[in-house]
Amino acid sequence: QIQLVQSGPEMKKPGDLVTVSCKASNYTFTSHGISWVRQAPGQGLEWMGWISAYNGNIHYGQNFQDRVTMTIDSSTNTVYMQLRSLRSDDTAVYYCAREWTGKNPYFHMDVWGKGTTVTVSS
Amino acid sequence: QSVLTQPPSVSAAPGQKVTISCSGSNSNIGNNYVSWYQQFPGTAPKVVIYDNNQRPSGIPDRFSGSKSGTSATLAITGLRSVDEADYYCGTWDGSLRDKVFGGGTKVTVL
Repeated sequence: QIQLVQSGPEMKKPGDLVTVSCKASNYTFTSHGISWVRQAPGQGLEWMGWISAYNGNIHYGQNFQDRVTMTIDSSTNTVYMQLRSLRSDDTAVYYCAREWTGKNPYFHMDVWGKGTTVTVSS
Repeated sequence: QSVLTQPPSVSAAPGQKVTISCSGSNSNIGNNYVSWYQQFPGTAPKVVIYDNNQRPSGIPDRFSGSKSGTSATLAITGLRSVDEADYYCGTWDGSLRDKVFGGGTKVTVL
């Protein structure tokens, strides 16, 4: 079945950098994009940005564009999200999700990873 | 503060109907498709409605979506205990150039 498998939980200190991976399987990787969405404890969903496996385009969310980098390794169908200068309020579950199309992030996300818990604490 | 506005909670007895509203503006709901996501505690969200009113395969027809102007609505009829979850609306905002969500609505089956 179509899957997005994410890397394991991370414990980081303020100021650190974290990298979360998302490996896709059982679908045509280059037909879709991947969005990253995070959810702080007890809070709602927050979109961080999108990278296209179709054409390599990237769009970062306004709240993250100075701290986040998204990359793709097409040889392994894996997408990476790197968040820098971590703060305690970056503590959250980070989800990768497949966008319906690879051309833009305007539509719905139809497959989700199970999430990666990132904890930022001194 | 979420860009899209949802009620924090709704509830109804088993078998009844609940509706969840999602209010936005012309820059988001008014000019883009709306999707709805269901989330159980400790699990990832799952899309239940996309493109305003389309159900993915496997989603029961008890779930329906609609959109009018700058508002969208998710309806769940024949409410069951398994429907107890948080529901989020989402869409693209052309002015912010961001994908935006509502704050989420907790559905409780009495």
